[in-house]
Amino acid sequence: QKEVEQDPGPLSVPEGAIVSLNCTYSNSAFQYFMWYRQYSRKGPELLMYTYSSGNKEDGRFTAQVDKSSKYISLFIRDSQPSDSATYLCAMSASATNKLIFGTGTLLAVQP
Amino acid sequence: DVKVTQSSRYLVKRTGEKVFLECVQDMDHENMFWYRQDPGLGLRLIYFSYDVKMKEKGDIPEGYSVSREKKERFSLILESASTNQTSMYLCASSLSQGAGDTEAFFGQGTRLTVV
Repeated sequence: QKEVEQDPGPLSVPEGAIVSLNCTYSNSAFQYFMWYRQYSRKGPELLMYTYSSGNKEDGRFTAQVDKSSKYISLFIRDSQPSDSATYLCAMSASATNKLIFGTGTLLAVQP
Repeated sequence: DVKVTQSSRYLVKRTGEKVFLECVQDMDHENMFWYRQDPGLGLRLIYFSYDVKMKEKGDIPEGYSVSREKKERFSLILESASTNQTSMYLCASSLSQGAGDTEAFFGQGTRLTVV
């Protein structure tokens, strides 16, 4: 079993839709949770960062962490074609700084 | 603006060649990482380094080695390239754990093809 599971998609939605991206994990030691966005032929860039449980909002993006269920989510409101990319979840435990990534979900927002 | 720079965007090498992938960061970060990214497998950690001359194996170190002689530079070495090492290679850096910030900044990636 992988430490981090993420549906690879692809996920296709119309412009303006609410998008929900999710990851599950098995290591209860994970404390830091991140979402990275990766455009085609580019390196990943950090989108959202959350420590421990709870919600975090930044513009159209909301990250949620439910440690009791070992489940994290990224919501995108009013999705735009420019949001089309691969979204990678990543997490690490407090004892090390080693990031463990999900496989990424390919999102396409259709105009 | 933070910067992680990988020396090449695209490389084509022959089987058996020794290959060097170079990565430089200008953020004075302690941690540096090498990942490879393959379809359906996501990012897999090859090696990481917490300090100069320090290195730790990641999840898939076989066939690779690394060198960190200076804080800003982390090199990935394929001792004898093989076709199954054809992949996208990504370098990243981050502050130390003690700073409480684990954000990793990535380079643009090197797409390596071994023929």
